[in-house]
Amino acid sequence: DAGVIQSPRHEVTEMGQEVTLRCKPISGHNSLFWYRQTMMRGLELLIYFNNNVPIDDSGMPEDRFSAKMPNASFSTLKIQPSEPRDSAVYFCASSLSRERNQPQHFGDGTRLSIL
Amino acid sequence: GENVEQHPSTLSVQEGDSAVIKCTYSDSASNYFPWYKQELGKRPQLIIDIRSNVGEKKDQRIAVTLNKTAKHFSLHITETQPEDSAVYFCAVFRSGNTGKLIFGQGTTLQVKP
Repeated sequence: DAGVIQSPRHEVTEMGQEVTLRCKPISGHNSLFWYRQTMMRGLELLIYFNNNVPIDDSGMPEDRFSAKMPNASFSTLKIQPSEPRDSAVYFCASSLSRERNQPQHFGDGTRLSIL
Repeated sequence: GENVEQHPSTLSVQEGDSAVIKCTYSDSASNYFPWYKQELGKRPQLIIDIRSNVGEKKDQRIAVTLNKTAKHFSLHITETQPEDSAVYFCAVFRSGNTGKLIFGQGTTLQVKP
């Protein structure tokens, strides 16, 4: 089991640029979650998908943030345009079933720095 | 919505001592309570979880207790070791249309050799 795979591991870019973070969930998992972690705000849920459908995006901070899940094995989180305050570690997690209270397994995260 | 409070925010113990971290929640319909350990620069990793039909669960040196009436649950680590040093997060889950994990603020545990 390869676990949840995120790319890139690190991203440094200038403000105003578009940033795309990628996630491959664990095979067979049908729920996918995007989190943002900062010292000030801790772990925040941005959006989650169940069977590729966005269920709750109330945590997405602004319209600059968007997420897609075109198929069961791939999801993207996009920030356009990026701002310095978007600097954080972004984690993707997946679980077997949202309804059955299955554990969420996290990827290694993407450390994003916006200059 | 659900509100999760985690205490203490930092905890320092001597190697071999026990450590206890407590979380309280507000939604009585919450039914799944995982604990995650996050080492510096790494991802959160599930270390133990408990469901609402169980009062206690143990896995070697780690145990979790749940008091549904009082709406709190605790992580207990016995015989602590330096490698237990990390940030620990509790989380609460309520199934349903809005089911999602709500995380506590985290506890930084330092185990001194």
